[in-house]
Amino acid sequence: AQKITQTQPGMFVQEKEAVTLDCTYDTSDPSYGLFWYKQPSSGEMIFLIYQGSYDQQNATEGRYSLNFQKARKSANLVISASQLGDSAMYFCAMREGRGYSSASKIIFGSGTRLSIRP
Amino acid sequence: EPEVTQTPSHQVTQMGQEVILRCVPISNHLYFYWYRQILGQKVEFLVSFYNNEISEKSEIFDDQFSVERPDGSNFTLKIRSTKLEDSAMYFCARGGGNQETQYFGPGTRLLVL
Repeated sequence: AQKITQTQPGMFVQEKEAVTLDCTYDTSDPSYGLFWYKQPSSGEMIFLIYQGSYDQQNATEGRYSLNFQKARKSANLVISASQLGDSAMYFCAMREGRGYSSASKIIFGSGTRLSIRP
Repeated sequence: EPEVTQTPSHQVTQMGQEVILRCVPISNHLYFYWYRQILGQKVEFLVSFYNNEISEKSEIFDDQFSVERPDGSNFTLKIRSTKLEDSAMYFCARGGGNQETQYFGPGTRLLVL
């Protein structure tokens, strides 16, 4: 069974500092994908970054990077130079199997609420 | 990549009424998903839809729920007889170009009274 664990229910960070949001996962499938989504107070679910289990390098997207440690089954999100607009709920998620398989549902963690202090 | 659009953005309904939530893809995609998020809780998978057929559904997706793509474009989620516990944000998502990612629509906030 899939499992995503986010152990930080809430975090406060000073503006312009870097922040790491923790995520660990559990799966027996050798092929899987890891995601991070941002959910601001308005409610939409914004895709941030994706890491495939076979990707050799850590994924990066602008200020976001995913610290993928396969042996430890962790997929932490790093946000560099945080901004006030980064205040939101952040969800780590996982999909087992390849994306083009018919059963490619995403399982979400419980989320981390990040608050950026000015 | 563009996500999908969803209508309505908000819906209030009486318990026992039928509701239809709509998802409009920007371009032709084969993979679609519905998820829901009860207030303050994690996002839960409901159903996946591939090539106009259900490919997987969760235990939440009981006989009260149905999905279809009636005109080959819009993708709908129907709740036949709503219950109070159906109050949630409902997200439609589509597979990305390489099908490895999923992009979510803005959601429909459903409130059942």
